[in-house]
Amino acid sequence: QSVLTQPPSASGTPGQSVTISCSGSISNIGTNYVYWYQQLPGTAPKLLIYRNYQRPSGVPDRFSAFKSGTSASLAISGLRSEDEADYHCATWDNSLRWVFGGGTKLTVL
Amino acid sequence: QLQESGPGLVKPSETLSLTCTISGGSISSFYWTWIRQAPGKGLEWIGYIHYSGITDYNPSLESRVTILLDSSKSQFSLKLRSLTAADTAIYYCARTFYYDSGAYWDAFDPWGQGTRVTVSS
Repeated sequence: QSVLTQPPSASGTPGQSVTISCSGSISNIGTNYVYWYQQLPGTAPKLLIYRNYQRPSGVPDRFSAFKSGTSASLAISGLRSEDEADYHCATWDNSLRWVFGGGTKLTVL
Repeated sequence: QLQESGPGLVKPSETLSLTCTISGGSISSFYWTWIRQAPGKGLEWIGYIHYSGITDYNPSLESRVTILLDSSKSQFSLKLRSLTAADTAIYYCARTFYYDSGAYWDAFDPWGQGTRVTVSS
């Protein structure tokens, strides 16, 4: 059971937009930055979003993120087949240290 | 760049020893981290070590984990004792940083490619 709650799966067709949620509490998302990682099949996670909404260089602006209160969301617009991956949210918890969501498997139909 | 190494198969009740080799950057100032992912599961933070020697561990694993840093070899290691099948996972090493001025942690970046560990007799 992960400390942060993500839907196990999400899907969309090419060109569509999809949103993945990440729910926590005041001791984690509510008071700390949220990070998102993209994990392509068979590879290690890669940083996708840092400090709630910032994109590292090289990450397309089709990827955006938002945090409000104790929840965060990752939005992907103009869905492409290469976006098919697992997406993980992460943050620091004031008691438990680093915590992750269970991951969301995104399928591009 | 980070690269994990270690045995792919270990027996129950034994100790897992993994090494992460750091190349192409400074060791100081960063927190060097181990994260694992059990089959079909999410990511789990195991712990970290700072260049100064400061360590911190996941409370659920703390009694079985030790992380060490050998700066002369640009390596840090993970020892996980009393293994069970539940410790079967891909183990990743990663780097993070703590900003004292803003009192916040930065992202895990970069990550190693991961090493698969199976606990089985």
